[in-house]
Amino acid sequence: DSGVTQTPKHLITATGQRVTLRCSPRSGDLSVYWYQQSLDQGLQFLIQYYNGEERAKGNILERFSAQQFPDLHSELNLSSLELGDSALYFCASTPPAGNEQFFGPGTRLTVL
Amino acid sequence: AQTVTQSQPEMSVQEAETVTLSCTYDTSENNYYLFWYKQPPSRQMILVIRQEAYKQQNATENRFSVNFQKAAKSFSLKISDSQLGDTAMYFCAFMKLSGTYKYIFGTGTRLKVLA
Repeated sequence: DSGVTQTPKHLITATGQRVTLRCSPRSGDLSVYWYQQSLDQGLQFLIQYYNGEERAKGNILERFSAQQFPDLHSELNLSSLELGDSALYFCASTPPAGNEQFFGPGTRLTVL
Repeated sequence: AQTVTQSQPEMSVQEAETVTLSCTYDTSENNYYLFWYKQPPSRQMILVIRQEAYKQQNATENRFSVNFQKAAKSFSLKISDSQLGDTAMYFCAFMKLSGTYKYIFGTGTRLKVLA
C-alpha cells in the first residue's frame, strides 16, 4: 500500500458524459501528478499540482481539467467522454524533498 | 527535452535465470535520478530501484541491480534468479531536478517469466 488513495476503483459510463476522479496523496506530500495509461501503453503525463497550484501540463485534452484543494486532495474531471478515453488513470504523489513517486491503485474508466 | 527509450517491447526468461532490460535516455541535465518501476497484472505501479546520477556505484536491491553508464546515458536493469512473480511490465523513468515537470517514463518492457 503506497498511501495514495484513488476513488472510484472502476467507473463505467457512456459517451458524452462527465466524470470526476479523486486522489488523496500520502500524508505530507504536496505534489500530485495525474497520468493516463491506455491499454498496454506507457504512462502519459497529464498534469501536476503542487500545494494547490498547477505546476506542469502534459498532453491533457481541453475536455479534461483538474484541481488540487486546500486539503491537498486532487480531482481530475473528464467531460464529453469518448470511447478513446477508456483507460487507467493514475495519481501519484511525491514528498516535498523527495524524488520517488508513490502511485495510487488507479481508476479504470470504461466509456461505452 | 528529455526522452527515455526502452527498445525491448517484450522479453521472456526462464525461471531462475538472469535477464537484463535496457533503457537509454537523453538529457542535457547533470543532476537527475533514474528509476525502474514494475507494473504487475494488478496494474499497481511499484518502485523497483532508483539511481542517483551523481553516484558512480550501481544501485542494487536484492535480486535487482542496475548498470548505470552515465556517459553512454544507459540504465539497464538486471534481474537475477528470476521468479514467476517478476512477470510484469517494467518502466524506466527519468527525473530531472530542475524546471517544471520532472518525470519522464519510457514505453515499457513486458517481461514474462516462464516456469
